[in-house]
Amino acid sequence: KAGVTQTPRYLIKTRGQQVTLSCSPISGHRSVSWYQQTPGQGLQFLFEYFSETQRNKGNFPGRFSGRQFSNSRSEMNVSTLELGDSALYLCASSAGLAGVADTQYFGPGTRLTVL
Amino acid sequence: AQSVTQPDIHITVSEGASLELRCNYSYGATPYLFWYVQSPGQGLQLLLKYFSGDTLVQGIKGFEAEFKRSQSSFNLRKPSVHWSDAAEYFCAVVWGGSNYKLTFGKGTLLTVNP
Repeated sequence: KAGVTQTPRYLIKTRGQQVTLSCSPISGHRSVSWYQQTPGQGLQFLFEYFSETQRNKGNFPGRFSGRQFSNSRSEMNVSTLELGDSALYLCASSAGLAGVADTQYFGPGTRLTVL
Repeated sequence: AQSVTQPDIHITVSEGASLELRCNYSYGATPYLFWYVQSPGQGLQLLLKYFSGDTLVQGIKGFEAEFKRSQSSFNLRKPSVHWSDAAEYFCAVVWGGSNYKLTFGKGTLLTVNP
């Protein structure tokens, strides 16, 4: 099976812009989670989607949003970008009902740089 | 607030030496515990996980971890480290309840000397 894929791999934006990141889970996986990784804050949970519904959300402002499509592909959107949003954004998918408590398979990430 | 602590930011060991990476979590409902490894070419990969039962769990690549409820710890061990084990290791916890969030520790960077 193909692994989790994320596009684009690298992105450069300027403050105030918005960005959309895409994640394609492993075939058959219905849970998709998103994480932000920065040197200062480490790995932080953003949100988790299961069958097109957001099941859990981390402590991020409303500028961070996501959605999941019927084929389980997911997108994450960040509006009004700030310098502090520069990070590696990781997507993970899992097969079971327990979402983040299941074995998750991570994609390579999207490196976002905000200038 | 619920938290995960990895006391060691950076550890250096010699190849062939034993390894123990520490992880402590704040008290809360029965946790689900994980160790992940992140290396530049491999991305983030699950090493092992503990949900219940035997408190000593075996993972991939020869790693094991022991859950000690009395110490709120879930330390990762390997009897003999290989140069390819050099990577960053993250402990992560999900606390039971209606809101499943995966909380990561800050990570421990492992350097392996030849």
